[in-house]
Amino acid sequence: AQKITQTQPGMFVQEKEAVTLDCTYDTSDPSYGLFWYKQPSSGEMIFLIYQGSYDQQNATEGRYSLNFQKARKSANLVISASQLGDSAMYFCAMREGTSYIPTFGRGTSLIVHP
Amino acid sequence: EAGVAQSPRYKIIEKRQSVAFWCNPISGHATLYWYQQILGQGPKLLIQFQNNGVVDDSQLPKDRFSAERLKGVDSTLKIQPAKLEDSAVYLCASSTIAGSGVDEQFFGPGTRLTVL
Repeated sequence: AQKITQTQPGMFVQEKEAVTLDCTYDTSDPSYGLFWYKQPSSGEMIFLIYQGSYDQQNATEGRYSLNFQKARKSANLVISASQLGDSAMYFCAMREGTSYIPTFGRGTSLIVHP
Repeated sequence: EAGVAQSPRYKIIEKRQSVAFWCNPISGHATLYWYQQILGQGPKLLIQFQNNGVVDDSQLPKDRFSAERLKGVDSTLKIQPAKLEDSAVYLCASSTIAGSGVDEQFFGPGTRLTVL
C-alpha cells in the first residue's frame, strides 16, 4: 500500500487565490512527521512546512498552512494568496517513528495563472 | 551561507558505462543523504550518512551503486555499470542531526543522468 498518496497530478489556480493540495498517508506508528516540499523547475527541493503527529495545532509558515486531520489521515497543504512563483511541483512526505527515511508521494504540479 | 553543491548538473552516458556524482553539503551538517528521483515520482532515499558512517543503505542497489563520505564532509555516488533504468535526477541533501524533530533537509540542485 502507498504510504503517501497525492491524488491530484495537476492543479491550476488564479493568482491571489488560495489553493489546497491533497495528501493522505498510511501508518500504524503513533509517532510520525509530515512534510511538504516545493520543487521548482530548477530541481532543488525546498522545505515548506512540518507537522508532527503529536502537535495539537496545525502548522503554519507564512502563506503556507497544513490542514492536519489525524482521524482521516490527511495532511493537506493550503497556499493562500497564490503567486506566480508558486508554480512548481509539490511533494508530501512522511517519516515514521524513529526512522530517518522519509517516504515521498508522487507530487502535484501546481500552475498559477496571472 | 552556501547551499548544497552538486556536480555535474547533467550527465549523458551509454549503458554499461560508469558515472560518478559529487556532493558538498552545507558546512557543519553532519547528515548527508542521496536520493534518486525518477521522472514523475517523488525522491527515493538511496543512502544516508552520519558524519562518515553509513546509517542506512537498505535501498541502495549495491551490485552497481556505491557511495562514500570519507572525511565526513563531501560525498561521491558511483554507478557501475549503468543501466537504462538508472536515468533519473540524483539529489543530495544535508541536515544538522538526523531525527531531531523537524530535521529540515536542505537539497542541492541535483544531477540529471540520462543513460542511452
